[in-house]
Amino acid sequence: QVQLQESGPGLMKPSETLSLTCTVSGGSISSESYYWNWIRQPAGKGLEWIGHIYHSGSTNYNPSLKSRVTISIDTSKNQLSLKMTSVTAPDTAVYYCARVLWGWYAFDIWGQGTMVTVSS
Amino acid sequence: EIVLTQSPGTLSLSPGERATLSCRASQSVSSSFLAWYQQKPGQAPGLLIYGASSRATGIPDRFSGSGSGTDFTLTISRLEPEDFAVYYCQHYGSSPIFTFGPGTKVDIK
Repeated sequence: QVQLQESGPGLMKPSETLSLTCTVSGGSISSESYYWNWIRQPAGKGLEWIGHIYHSGSTNYNPSLKSRVTISIDTSKNQLSLKMTSVTAPDTAVYYCARVLWGWYAFDIWGQGTMVTVSS
Repeated sequence: EIVLTQSPGTLSLSPGERATLSCRASQSVSSSFLAWYQQKPGQAPGLLIYGASSRATGIPDRFSGSGSGTDFTLTISRLEPEDFAVYYCQHYGSSPIFTFGPGTKVDIK
């Protein structure tokens, strides 16, 4: 079955650029049925959608983060990536990648998440 | 932007009881675009319901979703020990295209 696995730096300093990768296994990221998303969750808080990408490279971002976020896709590696510039302490969260099946308009598969802490 | 409000914030119940969770949208939405998730401590959320009332693959039939317009409900007919968790509703719409409610925690009374 399809599995998603996030990877990232863990600990960062304010003003740095966050880079995360999500590797898709057990299925193709190039499938026309799915969009690939990043979602984050600060400790003890709710979920915030960051943005998504289609296999064609088409993206859509949360307006609240759009100026700092870039999502990209590498179909040859079956990976998607997230870059977030100028991180600060409020960006501390668990970052998830998740798949949306278009037609369901819901996140049907999630990675386990990767914790990112921004601290000086 | 559509804002989702969930109530109650915490629901304290005993195993075997019925749980009724509410999700209210700030304006009328299509039921096709409303989903529910369950999240246990230390785990990613898992999809329960999509399209307001369709159970995702492998979800037991004690979970059911209903509603339309601005008011949606997730019902757990008889709580099992593994059902004590946080539940989120989610909407697909426009800018941002995905939004989540703040969650309802179902804990053991």
